[in-house]
Amino acid sequence: DAGVTQSPTHLIKTRGQQVTLRCSPKSGHDTVSWYQQALGQGPQFIFQYYEEEERQRGNFPDRFSGHQFPNYSSELNVNALLLGDSALYLCASSGGGQEPAWTGNKQYFGPGTRLTVT
Amino acid sequence: QQQVKQSPQSLIVQKGGISIINCAYENTAFDYFPWYQQFPGKGPALLIAIRPDVSEKKEGRFTISFNKSAKQFSLHIMDSQPGDSATYFCAASYHGGSQGNLIFGKGTKLSVKP
Repeated sequence: DAGVTQSPTHLIKTRGQQVTLRCSPKSGHDTVSWYQQALGQGPQFIFQYYEEEERQRGNFPDRFSGHQFPNYSSELNVNALLLGDSALYLCASSGGGQEPAWTGNKQYFGPGTRLTVT
Repeated sequence: QQQVKQSPQSLIVQKGGISIINCAYENTAFDYFPWYQQFPGKGPALLIAIRPDVSEKKEGRFTISFNKSAKQFSLHIMDSQPGDSATYFCAASYHGGSQGNLIFGKGTKLSVKP
Protein backbone atom coordinates (compact mmCIF):
# COMPACT_ATOMS: atom_id res chain seq x y z
CA ASP A 1 0.00 0.00 0.00
CA ALA A 2 1.63 3.24 -1.14
CA GLY A 3 1.65 6.03 1.35
CA VAL A 4 1.26 9.70 0.51
CA THR A 5 3.24 10.65 -2.57
CA GLN A 6 4.26 14.11 -3.73
CA SER A 7 5.82 15.50 -6.87
CA PRO A 8 8.17 16.94 -7.74
CA THR A 9 10.78 16.30 -5.06
CA HIS A 10 12.63 19.54 -5.65
CA LEU A 11 11.81 22.68 -7.57
CA ILE A 12 13.65 25.92 -8.27
CA LYS A 13 11.65 28.94 -9.40
CA THR A 14 12.25 32.64 -9.92
CA ARG A 15 10.44 35.43 -8.08
CA GLY A 16 7.14 36.27 -9.72
CA GLN A 17 6.68 32.86 -11.30
CA GLN A 18 3.92 30.41 -10.56
CA VAL A 19 4.28 26.84 -9.29
CA THR A 20 2.06 23.75 -9.02
CA LEU A 21 2.76 20.96 -6.57
CA ARG A 22 0.99 17.62 -6.62
CA CYS A 23 -0.10 15.11 -4.00
CA SER A 24 -1.66 11.65 -4.05
CA PRO A 25 -3.21 10.59 -0.75
CA LYS A 26 -2.78 7.29 1.03
CA SER A 27 -5.17 4.64 -0.24
CA GLY A 28 -8.58 4.95 1.41
CA HIS A 29 -8.11 8.56 2.50
CA ASP A 30 -10.43 11.28 1.21
CA THR A 31 -9.02 14.42 2.83
CA VAL A 32 -5.87 16.28 1.85
CA SER A 33 -4.17 19.01 3.86
CA TRP A 34 -1.25 21.16 2.78
CA TYR A 35 1.41 22.56 5.07
CA GLN A 36 4.39 24.87 4.60
CA GLN A 37 7.51 24.11 6.61
CA ALA A 38 10.19 26.78 6.67
CA LEU A 39 13.72 25.73 7.59
CA GLY A 40 13.99 25.00 11.29
CA GLN A 41 10.27 25.50 11.94
CA GLY A 42 7.23 23.35 12.44
CA PRO A 43 4.76 22.86 9.60
CA GLN A 44 2.14 25.58 9.16
CA PHE A 45 -1.32 24.75 7.88
CA ILE A 46 -2.22 26.22 4.50
CA PHE A 47 -5.58 24.63 3.69
CA GLN A 48 -7.53 21.39 3.63
CA TYR A 49 -9.59 19.82 0.87
CA TYR A 50 -12.47 17.43 1.26
CA GLU A 51 -15.02 16.41 -1.38
CA GLU A 52 -13.21 18.62 -3.90
CA GLU A 53 -13.80 21.76 -1.84
CA GLU A 54 -11.60 23.85 0.43
CA ARG A 55 -12.90 23.06 3.91
CA GLN A 56 -10.47 25.00 6.08
CA ARG A 57 -7.82 27.61 5.43
CA GLY A 58 -4.89 28.86 7.47
CA ASN A 59 -3.39 32.33 7.50
CA PHE A 60 -2.02 32.32 3.95
CA PRO A 61 -2.68 34.89 1.19
CA ASP A 62 -4.85 34.25 -1.84
CA ARG A 63 -1.69 33.62 -3.87
CA PHE A 64 -1.96 30.12 -2.43
CA SER A 65 -4.75 28.12 -4.01
CA GLY A 66 -5.56 24.49 -4.42
CA HIS A 67 -7.68 21.88 -6.01
CA GLN A 68 -8.85 18.37 -5.24
CA PHE A 69 -9.75 15.92 -7.96
CA PRO A 70 -12.44 13.19 -7.90
CA ASN A 71 -9.75 10.58 -7.15
CA TYR A 72 -8.85 12.63 -4.01
CA SER A 73 -5.45 13.73 -5.34
CA SER A 74 -4.69 17.39 -4.89
CA GLU A 75 -2.68 20.29 -6.25
CA LEU A 76 -1.24 23.33 -4.52
CA ASN A 77 -0.71 26.41 -6.67
CA VAL A 78 1.32 29.41 -5.64
CA ASN A 79 1.25 32.55 -7.79
CA ALA A 80 3.62 35.53 -7.86
CA LEU A 81 6.31 33.69 -5.94
CA LEU A 82 8.25 35.55 -3.28
CA LEU A 83 11.64 34.69 -1.80
CA GLY A 84 9.82 33.95 1.46
CA ASP A 85 7.86 31.17 -0.20
CA SER A 86 11.01 29.01 -0.19
CA ALA A 87 10.15 26.07 2.04
CA LEU A 88 9.29 22.40 2.22
CA TYR A 89 5.67 21.91 1.18
CA LEU A 90 4.03 18.95 2.83
CA CYS A 91 0.88 17.15 1.91
CA ALA A 92 -0.98 15.10 4.49
CA SER A 93 -3.91 12.78 3.95
CA SER A 94 -6.52 11.54 6.38
CA GLY A 95 -10.12 10.43 6.69
CA GLY A 96 -12.03 7.80 4.79
CA GLY A 97 -13.51 6.47 8.03
CA GLN A 98 -10.57 4.18 8.71
CA GLU A 99 -9.67 5.55 12.13
CA PRO A 100 -11.61 5.96 15.38
CA ALA A 101 -13.65 9.15 15.35
CA TRP A 102 -11.47 11.04 17.84
CA THR A 103 -8.41 10.48 15.70
CA GLY A 104 -10.02 12.04 12.67
CA ASN A 105 -7.02 14.31 12.58
CA LYS A 106 -4.61 11.38 12.23
CA GLN A 107 -2.78 12.81 9.29
CA TYR A 108 -0.15 10.94 7.30
CA PHE A 109 2.47 13.10 5.66
CA GLY A 110 4.23 12.73 2.36
CA PRO A 111 7.96 13.38 1.89
CA GLY A 112 7.36 16.94 0.73
CA THR A 113 8.41 19.13 -2.16
CA ARG A 114 11.38 21.39 -1.53
CA LEU A 115 10.68 24.73 -3.26
CA THR A 116 13.48 27.24 -3.69
CA VAL A 117 12.63 30.71 -4.98
CA THR A 118 15.56 32.75 -6.31
CA GLN B 1 0.37 34.07 18.27
CA GLN B 2 1.86 30.67 18.90
CA GLN B 3 -0.74 28.30 20.28
CA VAL B 4 1.63 25.41 20.99
CA LYS B 5 4.94 26.09 22.70
CA GLN B 6 7.61 23.38 22.64
CA SER B 7 10.81 23.01 24.64
CA PRO B 8 13.69 22.47 24.59
CA GLN B 9 14.79 23.55 21.14
CA SER B 10 17.54 20.92 21.16
CA LEU B 11 18.40 17.97 23.36
CA ILE B 12 21.43 15.71 23.69
CA VAL B 13 20.98 12.38 25.45
CA GLN B 14 23.27 9.42 26.00
CA LYS B 15 22.32 6.06 24.56
CA GLY B 16 20.03 4.26 26.98
CA GLY B 17 18.90 7.47 28.64
CA ILE B 18 15.46 9.06 28.80
CA SER B 19 14.59 11.89 26.41
CA ILE B 20 11.89 14.29 27.59
CA ILE B 21 10.27 16.95 25.40
CA ASN B 22 7.60 19.30 26.70
CA CYS B 23 4.74 21.19 25.12
CA ALA B 24 2.20 23.69 26.40
CA TYR B 25 -0.98 24.77 24.67
CA GLU B 26 -3.40 27.65 25.07
CA ASN B 27 -6.65 26.66 23.40
CA THR B 28 -8.77 24.54 25.74
CA ALA B 29 -10.85 23.43 22.75
CA PHE B 30 -7.98 21.26 21.53
CA ASP B 31 -8.88 17.60 21.80
CA TYR B 32 -6.16 15.76 19.92
CA PHE B 33 -2.45 15.89 20.72
CA PRO B 34 -0.07 13.96 18.44
CA TRP B 35 3.69 13.75 18.36
CA TYR B 36 5.54 13.55 15.06
CA GLN B 37 9.09 12.44 14.27
CA GLN B 38 10.92 13.91 11.31
CA PHE B 39 14.22 12.82 9.82
CA PRO B 40 16.17 15.14 7.51
CA GLY B 41 14.71 15.22 4.02
CA LYS B 42 11.58 13.35 5.08
CA GLY B 43 8.04 14.27 5.99
CA PRO B 44 6.85 14.05 9.61
CA ALA B 45 5.76 10.59 10.74
CA LEU B 46 3.12 10.11 13.43
CA LEU B 47 4.61 8.53 16.57
CA ILE B 48 1.86 8.54 19.17
CA ALA B 49 -1.20 10.61 20.03
CA ILE B 50 -3.42 11.24 23.05
CA ARG B 51 -6.79 12.76 23.83
CA PRO B 52 -7.41 14.98 26.88
CA ASP B 53 -9.45 12.47 28.92
CA VAL B 54 -6.38 10.24 29.26
CA SER B 55 -3.39 11.16 31.47
CA GLU B 56 -0.86 8.80 29.93
CA LYS B 57 -0.42 6.69 26.83
CA LYS B 58 2.42 4.30 26.17
CA GLU B 59 3.48 2.67 22.91
CA GLY B 60 6.72 0.74 23.11
CA ARG B 61 9.49 3.09 24.25
CA PHE B 62 7.36 6.19 23.68
CA THR B 63 5.05 7.63 26.35
CA ILE B 64 2.87 10.74 26.33
CA SER B 65 2.04 12.30 29.68
CA PHE B 66 -0.88 14.72 29.64
CA ASN B 67 -1.82 17.33 32.27
CA LYS B 68 -5.14 18.90 31.30
CA SER B 69 -5.29 21.40 34.18
CA ALA B 70 -1.82 22.72 33.38
CA LYS B 71 -2.45 22.56 29.63
CA GLN B 72 0.81 20.68 29.17
CA PHE B 73 1.86 17.41 27.62
CA SER B 74 5.20 15.72 27.18
CA LEU B 75 6.91 12.96 25.22
CA HIS B 76 9.18 10.54 27.02
CA ILE B 77 11.50 8.30 25.01
CA MET B 78 12.81 5.48 27.17
CA ASP B 79 16.10 3.69 26.43
CA SER B 80 16.94 6.29 23.78
CA GLN B 81 18.89 4.97 20.79
CA PRO B 82 21.05 6.71 18.17
CA GLY B 83 18.37 5.83 15.62
CA ASP B 84 15.98 8.08 17.58
CA SER B 85 18.07 11.10 16.57
CA ALA B 86 15.58 13.29 14.71
CA THR B 87 13.42 16.36 15.13
CA TYR B 88 10.28 15.87 17.18
CA PHE B 89 7.16 18.01 16.89
CA CYS B 90 4.21 18.19 19.18
CA ALA B 91 0.91 19.30 17.69
CA ALA B 92 -2.67 19.96 18.66
CA SER B 93 -6.00 20.30 16.96
CA TYR B 94 -9.72 20.39 17.63
CA HIS B 95 -12.34 18.37 15.91
CA GLY B 96 -14.98 21.02 15.70
CA GLY B 97 -17.26 18.53 14.02
CA SER B 98 -14.86 18.06 11.15
CA GLN B 99 -11.24 17.18 10.66
CA GLY B 100 -9.26 20.15 11.85
CA ASN B 101 -5.85 21.38 10.97
CA LEU B 102 -2.82 20.52 13.08
CA ILE B 103 -1.03 23.31 14.94
CA PHE B 104 2.61 22.41 15.45
CA GLY B 105 5.25 23.41 17.94
CA LYS B 106 8.57 24.63 16.63
CA GLY B 107 10.30 21.29 17.11
CA THR B 108 13.02 19.72 19.23
CA LYS B 109 16.17 18.39 17.64
CA LEU B 110 17.18 15.26 19.53
CA SER B 111 20.69 13.83 19.31
CA VAL B 112 21.35 10.49 21.01
CA LYS B 113 25.06 9.90 21.56
CA PRO B 114 26.39 6.32 21.41
